[in-house]
Amino acid sequence: DVKVTQSSRYLVKRTGEKVFLECVQDMDHENMFWYRQDPGLGLRLIYFSYDVKMKEKGDIPEGYSVSREKKERFSLILESASTNQTSMYLCASSPGGQLSGNTIYFGEGSWLTVV
Amino acid sequence: AQSVSQHNHHVILSEAASLELGCNYSYGGTVNLFWYVQYPGQHLQLLLKYFSGDPLVKGIKGFEAEFIKSKFSFNLRKPSVQWSDTAEYFCAVNVKAAGNKLTFGGGTRVLVKP
Repeated sequence: DVKVTQSSRYLVKRTGEKVFLECVQDMDHENMFWYRQDPGLGLRLIYFSYDVKMKEKGDIPEGYSVSREKKERFSLILESASTNQTSMYLCASSPGGQLSGNTIYFGEGSWLTVV
Repeated sequence: AQSVSQHNHHVILSEAASLELGCNYSYGGTVNLFWYVQYPGQHLQLLLKYFSGDPLVKGIKGFEAEFIKSKFSFNLRKPSVQWSDTAEYFCAVNVKAAGNKLTFGGGTRVLVKP
């Protein structure tokens, strides 16, 4: 089975702190994604990456950055956390090529609270 | 940009009742369509997907969905729900021209009373 592992399930950080959320997948997938999930808004794409060192902005990239130095690892960075970034963060991965015929696999999520 | 609308935020029903969750999207080109489910405390799982062919798609756990292109809809159905179907359900759309991005609806929380 594909496994997408997010290193932290629950974090509490202070406003202004730098926050790293780590994600690792074990299926050699080319594509990796970071979403945030908020009640009533569903999942919104922050950033995605289709190859090592490649990244593309999603729908809500402001306040976030990402890093993909190795194929299996995709990190989400909050340079200066703010309270409106309190949310559930979901990492996902999928095989390469067009999404058609492929499926995205999700991690269990990281609950981030910024106080 | 494409958007996805799920009409109901909350649905409460009794076991054995029929379930239908609405999903509409706003893009006129070629799309791939998905329904995901998130059970309490668990990660998102794929219920079913439509890429091409028969517009009536059958998924896991007795769910099915029908793609109606003229209505830009992809409604999810189950004839008889169980208590274990209590979960949040998300419709998602991938626009082929946009690569690998998935756009999600706001989700529908379904509570099945035993």
